[in-house]
Amino acid sequence: NAGVTQTPKFQVLKTGQSMTLQCAQDMNHEYMSWYRQDPGMGLRLIHYSVGAGITDQGEVPNGYNVSRSTTEDFPLRLLSAAPSQTSVYFCASSPRGAEGGHEQYFGPGTRLTVT
Amino acid sequence: GENVEQHPSTLSVQEGDSAVIKCTYSDSASNYFPWYKQELGKRPQLIIDIRSNVGEKKDQRIAVTLNKTAKHFSLHITETQPEDSAVYFCAATSYNTDKLIFGTGTRLQVFP
Repeated sequence: NAGVTQTPKFQVLKTGQSMTLQCAQDMNHEYMSWYRQDPGMGLRLIHYSVGAGITDQGEVPNGYNVSRSTTEDFPLRLLSAAPSQTSVYFCASSPRGAEGGHEQYFGPGTRLTVT
Repeated sequence: GENVEQHPSTLSVQEGDSAVIKCTYSDSASNYFPWYKQELGKRPQLIIDIRSNVGEKKDQRIAVTLNKTAKHFSLHITETQPEDSAVYFCAATSYNTDKLIFGTGTRLQVFP
């Protein structure tokens, strides 16, 4: 199994540009989530999904959209990038929702810089 | 919603000493408390977790304790080694939410 994969690994955007960060998992996990990591601020939850067709907001959802059309894929879209969105983005998956208390498997991360 | 505070933000210890990292949470319904380790440039990985029906859990040199009354939990690392140097994150979630909320992290440095 490849586990959780993310593309691209690095990305530089200009303010106002849009892009999609890709995330895929091959473990048949129901639960997937997106976090951003900034120095001194830990991992902050952006959006999450408990299954195909179901998404919900996390702690910092503004400026980001998600969709979950399949169990395997959970893309994160930035509609109009801003310098405040410069961060490292991690996708994670687990067999069931966080309320069940399951280990989160993280992808390798995408480092995004917005100039 | 849940809020998790973590202290200290940095911790330096001599090899062989013990290290303790503390977290507090706000939601009294929280029932699952994992700890993740993140080495430089790598992804976070689960090292130990504890559920609200247990007060303490050990795994070799690592232990976690939970005080539900005070709403805090701690990570204890004994006989620290240089390879323990990393950033450690605590997290919490409750039975009525699917959100796993993380603390701000502790950078542990173990000096030989």
